[in-house]
Amino acid sequence: EVQLVESGGGLVQPGGSLRLSCTASRLTLGRYWMAWVRQAPGKGLEWVANIKQDGSETHHVDSVKGRFTISRDNAKNSLYLQMNSLRAEDTAVYYCARRPYGDDGDVFDIWGQGTMVTVSS
Amino acid sequence: DIQMTQSPSSLSASVGDRVTITCRASQGIRNDLGWFQQKPGKAPKRLIYGASSLQSGVPSRFSASGSGTEFTLTISSLQPEDFATYYCLQHNSYPWTFGQGTKVEIK
Repeated sequence: EVQLVESGGGLVQPGGSLRLSCTASRLTLGRYWMAWVRQAPGKGLEWVANIKQDGSETHHVDSVKGRFTISRDNAKNSLYLQMNSLRAEDTAVYYCARRPYGDDGDVFDIWGQGTMVTVSS
Repeated sequence: DIQMTQSPSSLSASVGDRVTITCRASQGIRNDLGWFQQKPGKAPKRLIYGASSLQSGVPSRFSASGSGTEFTLTISSLQPEDFATYYCLQHNSYPWTFGQGTKVEIK
């Protein structure tokens, strides 16, 4: 079964840092754009960042620009989200998701189970 | 930024009812829209891509239409497993934006 698995979440103090990881089973991440999407407790979904197959192009939502960085290591079949200067409003479940292409459409078709990030003192 | 206005924010319906959810984009997004279903504690699940293409494995009671600024998701006959929250997502331009969600509850 194709699967994405996030890790790296946890409790961090305001101003702190975390790095989230997303690894894949039965899926070569390097063939696809990948993304991070988050969901604050009891709230809706928010797109956070996208990255191109070779990492040469990235996009981030304004609220995380300069603080978060999406990256990837295709040799390790992994996706990352480096989160610095964390704020309480970054508290959320963070999902990684695959952006397919061609006949599979081009909006997220495979999602991980999510990892919880809590920013609190 | 493109704003996605989803309505209603919640609805109560009975098994067998026909349900329609609407998303309006603040500017034209062609057909660059997906619909997702999310159940509590679970990751979202894609239902629709390209505004109207049904995801493989999704029941045919789900359908969607629209282009430009107006989009609809329809459940022709609501089933117990369809009670969930539904989101639209525009991927026409950055930042990608979700609608605020529609919670479908049991009447």
